[in-house]
Amino acid sequence: DTAVSQTPKYLVTQMGNDKSIKCEQNLGHDTMYWYKQDSKKFLKIMFSYNNKELIINETVPNRFSPKSPDKAHLNLHINSLELGDSAVYFCASSPRRPGITEAFFGQGTRLTVV
Amino acid sequence: AQSVAQPEDQVKVAEGNPLTVKCTYSVSGNPYLFWYVQYPNRGLQFLLKYITGDNLVKGSYGFEAEFNKSQTSFHLKKPSALVSDSALYFCAVRVDHGSGNTGKLIFGQGTTLQVKP
Repeated sequence: DTAVSQTPKYLVTQMGNDKSIKCEQNLGHDTMYWYKQDSKKFLKIMFSYNNKELIINETVPNRFSPKSPDKAHLNLHINSLELGDSAVYFCASSPRRPGITEAFFGQGTRLTVV
Repeated sequence: AQSVAQPEDQVKVAEGNPLTVKCTYSVSGNPYLFWYVQYPNRGLQFLLKYITGDNLVKGSYGFEAEFNKSQTSFHLKKPSALVSDSALYFCAVRVDHGSGNTGKLIFGQGTTLQVKP
């Protein structure tokens, strides 16, 4: 009964390829996010969706395209992968309700571009 | 600009001793502060948050954090460290986006806690 699940957990691919990472949450949350953790463990937000609507896009290259088919899913598609895209990508979700609520994170997808 | 700083890359303590992981913040408006822990090859787990009210916040696994507005700090503490507490700890501030209770987390650079037996 994993709350926020991502697939795949590991992804190794060559430069120039296109790949997708999937994320699903079964918490009934309205808001979902993608965060990137670089090789120095620094975490930074990439995107935020609220009920399938894009809310935040943090100047991410347009090779990255999030897609939310419904509020329980937020997928990340990456075109023309580059070496610098190697990182751990975390999906997260949070409820949209009065008060400040914490985000719940998935286990991460470690992307290695070779 | 909103930011969070964790001045120590690494903290080492002996098991049974108290631990402190430091965090300072810079925000405009009210700070909404969080601590998360990341175990190796795992996602982030929520520990505790400060929104308003009592400056001492208690969270999971015996951790607590003290909010100090004058020093703009939100240090994580535990009275007695366990070897199993060894992990990477992140302080974060939430920045709201528009209305409707949506926002993003801005993270500090993380502090590796090593608890020795």
